[in-house]
Amino acid sequence: DIQMTQSPSTLSASVGDTVTITCRASQSINIWLAWYQQKPGTAPKALMYKASNLEGGVPSRFSGSGSGTEFTLTISSLQPDDFATYHCQQYHDYPYTFGQGTKLEIK
Amino acid sequence: QVQLVESGGGVVQPGRSLRLSCAASGFIFRKYGMHWVRQAPGKGLEWLAITSYAGTDSFYGDSAKGRFTISRDNSKNTLYLQMNSLRHEDTAVYYCAKAKSGADCSSITCPLDYWGQGTLVIVSS
Repeated sequence: DIQMTQSPSTLSASVGDTVTITCRASQSINIWLAWYQQKPGTAPKALMYKASNLEGGVPSRFSGSGSGTEFTLTISSLQPDDFATYHCQQYHDYPYTFGQGTKLEIK
Repeated sequence: QVQLVESGGGVVQPGRSLRLSCAASGFIFRKYGMHWVRQAPGKGLEWLAITSYAGTDSFYGDSAKGRFTISRDNSKNTLYLQMNSLRHEDTAVYYCAKAKSGADCSSITCPLDYWGQGTLVIVSS
């Protein structure tokens, strides 16, 4: 199985900051990476697919990059609504696997 | 708009079975692959299974192999997860999710785009 490792596990930031979350795959997954946002007590929401393609309705302050084994999710000019947990997921091969999640909290 | 509504969760004793359902609306259900994903309390997301749009092909994660079966009834726009021989460690919120399709996918796999609100399964004696 392909292992996905996110860093950091927790990230403290302030409104207006720019933050970056990293996701590493144990083997190459090309660009077959998705990002999801999850707020407490709610279902995940799709943010991005193919490493850098935004889902409809996702603000442009979210951006993604990477290919192969290393990927990043960058959120520019953090808004109060952005404080949540972010999960990466590879869909290069079965079984799909998720990273352990990165909790973005208010400093 | 796309809606996915899970049901069938609850408290069940270890070793017993449970069947979850996911009622879909707002899209042409029979055209999309569908997934089950779970999340244990305070833990990350764990992918369980996918069924193809016609229900003819399925793939499972390690935790689901041999005990869980994913299926669908396209005439009822409903996805199912049959869970047998339940264990304490199966306690989680179970989500169904819709797969994207076409150019958004690799040659064999697609990301998830819409998720249901989840149904809680507690395995306890």
